[in-house]
Amino acid sequence: AQTVTQSQPEMSVQEAETVTLSCTYDTSESNYYLFWYKQPPSRQMILVIRQEAYKQQNATENRFSVNFQKAAKSFSLKISDSQLGDTAMYFCAFMKQGAQKLVFGQGTRLTINP
Amino acid sequence: DSGVTQTPKHLITATGQRVTLRCSPRSGDLSVYWYQQSLDQGLQFLIQYYNGEERAKGNILERFSAQQFPDLHSELNLSSLELGDSALYFCASSVEGSNSGNTIYFGEGSWLTVV
Repeated sequence: AQTVTQSQPEMSVQEAETVTLSCTYDTSESNYYLFWYKQPPSRQMILVIRQEAYKQQNATENRFSVNFQKAAKSFSLKISDSQLGDTAMYFCAFMKQGAQKLVFGQGTRLTINP
Repeated sequence: DSGVTQTPKHLITATGQRVTLRCSPRSGDLSVYWYQQSLDQGLQFLIQYYNGEERAKGNILERFSAQQFPDLHSELNLSSLELGDSALYFCASSVEGSNSGNTIYFGEGSWLTVV
């Protein structure tokens, strides 16, 4: 079974700083997808970024980028120029190809301070 | 706005009761998923339906059941409710088999409080 581990329960940075959230996963699959979801205080789950395991190029979405290290089974999220609206729980998630089930990590609570 | 609609947003009910949570997927999405988020269990996959058929089952209790209707909306039925069933229940949807990498989009969730 796949597992996803987020080793940082909480993080706090100042506005405009860059922050990196860690995620590691365990799988024997070679084809899979990785996701970062954001859950603000409103509790809605919002997709931030996704990565296909077969792509070597790291995904980017505006201020959000990932560092995908397949051999190390690591998938970190970098937020550049952090904003107050980035304050949220961030969940790393894994999905193996052919399955539709997302396996989530326990989440990292990120606080952006003014 | 993800395009996934869930009702009700909040629900308070007593132990032993039965409730139904409703979900409308994004336009064009054939797959509907149900997830439960609780403090002690985190985010857990319950069940998936694809075009009316059950496709995958996760940690769903026997007291819980779901279905997807011909118009693709879905309902999650929770019966004989216990205090431990208090949680945020998410519906999500996706276009299975697309080149978008099976990205799953979540609704805003239904808060269930059992008292």
